[in-house]
Amino acid sequence: EVQLVQSGAEVKKPGESLKISCKGSGYSFTSYWIGWVRQMPGKGLEWMGIIYPGDSDTRYSPSFQGQVTISADKSISTAYLQWSSLKASDTAMYYCVRGDGDSPFFDYWGQGTLVTVSS
Amino acid sequence: QSVLTQPPSASGTPGQRVTISCSGSSSNIGSNTVNWYQQLPGTAPKLLIYSNNQRPSGVPDRFSGSKSGTSASLAISGLQSEDEADYYCAAWDDSLNVYYVFGTGTKVTVL
Repeated sequence: EVQLVQSGAEVKKPGESLKISCKGSGYSFTSYWIGWVRQMPGKGLEWMGIIYPGDSDTRYSPSFQGQVTISADKSISTAYLQWSSLKASDTAMYYCVRGDGDSPFFDYWGQGTLVTVSS
Repeated sequence: QSVLTQPPSASGTPGQRVTISCSGSSSNIGSNTVNWYQQLPGTAPKLLIYSNNQRPSGVPDRFSGSKSGTSASLAISGLQSEDEADYYCAAWDDSLNVYYVFGTGTKVTVL
């Protein structure tokens, strides 16, 4: 069974750094893309970027380029989303997703990680 | 800001057919396939339709997708109470940078 299991909820202060994780299981982790999607409170879905763990090819949405870092450790089948300096506007639910194909659609979703940034 | 535009809401009574539109441009829907996602209240989204009109295993055939030019549609036939959810279209965009874009989302209410 394919599963994406994300790390738990985080409460941080503005300016702090953060790295959240997404562990894939039940499939070949290096053969599918892993992406990240943001959903701000009461708002829609926003695609942030993806990484192909097989060769670390990484692509970002223009809206998130330079704002976050996506990485993966294929030895432990885990992808990461990282911030160096959080802002209050980063408060959101973050989902990791598995991408299938050359122009991937996202067929499996993690349970979500709620990040709250507040002073 | 999303480049795929959907109506904010749609509604119907049980058994009715509801259609949701998704309007894009030549750089996204016009040149790439469309996917649809369903988000039930308080849950993670799930893939509903991929490659314009393909249903993943387990998705009822009441859900169907279509695409024409720079627009796409999702139809729900025989609307059921459990279909009350948010629906998002999505596609790759091949403008300056290649990236994935979600639609603005449509809230479907079963009356």
